[in-house]
Amino acid sequence: GNSVTQMEGPVTLSEEAFLTINCTYTATGYPSLFWYVQYPGEGLQLLLKATKADDKGSNKGFEATYRKETTSFHLEKGSVQVSDSAVYFCALSDRGSNYQLIWGAGTKLIIKP
Amino acid sequence: NAGVTQTPKFQVLKTGQSMTLQCAQDMNHEYMSWYRQDPGMGLRLIHYSVGAGITDQGEVPNGYNVSRSTTEDFPLRLLSAAPSQTSVYFCASSYSGGDNQPQHFGDGTRLSIL
Repeated sequence: GNSVTQMEGPVTLSEEAFLTINCTYTATGYPSLFWYVQYPGEGLQLLLKATKADDKGSNKGFEATYRKETTSFHLEKGSVQVSDSAVYFCALSDRGSNYQLIWGAGTKLIIKP
Repeated sequence: NAGVTQTPKFQVLKTGQSMTLQCAQDMNHEYMSWYRQDPGMGLRLIHYSVGAGITDQGEVPNGYNVSRSTTEDFPLRLLSAAPSQTSVYFCASSYSGGDNQPQHFGDGTRLSIL
């Protein structure tokens, strides 16, 4: 069945450091891939998405590229800020899951000033 | 623009009590879902609906009931609360099915069962 695996957290970085949060997936079809972000005390918000191989999603300085050959969708940002501290979730959706989202466990990111 | 509204935000129940978590959206979305979020486990789908009058079970449906009498509302019922149902509950909606439709989330209901 479909599944998503994320790197365990928490990930602690200093401000202006480079960020990578790994995400790999298993899917029977050709899924769409998403990154959602959850700020403290809030619901989840869509951060970026990619719907086919080699697509790059980007938003707020974050990027992720859909790599079909490595079944990965790693989240990157060149220079993180304290305000990026949150929990980040990788997810997929495809016909095999009736288009319901399959979620990773989430990665907590802590940015220190 | 309210989006997805969940009530209440916090609730404490005793084992065996019943309650209904409310969810309403004003975006005319067909798809609505309920998730629970537990530490270190990500979100797990409880029930979902593809339109008014249509509901289906997700990954962890036991102990929960849902109904969808209108497009706007999708309440989640706990018939007899158990401590294992202590969690944060999120309601979400999306315009339609299809693999590129983002879901819009409410702010969550934090539920504690004593």
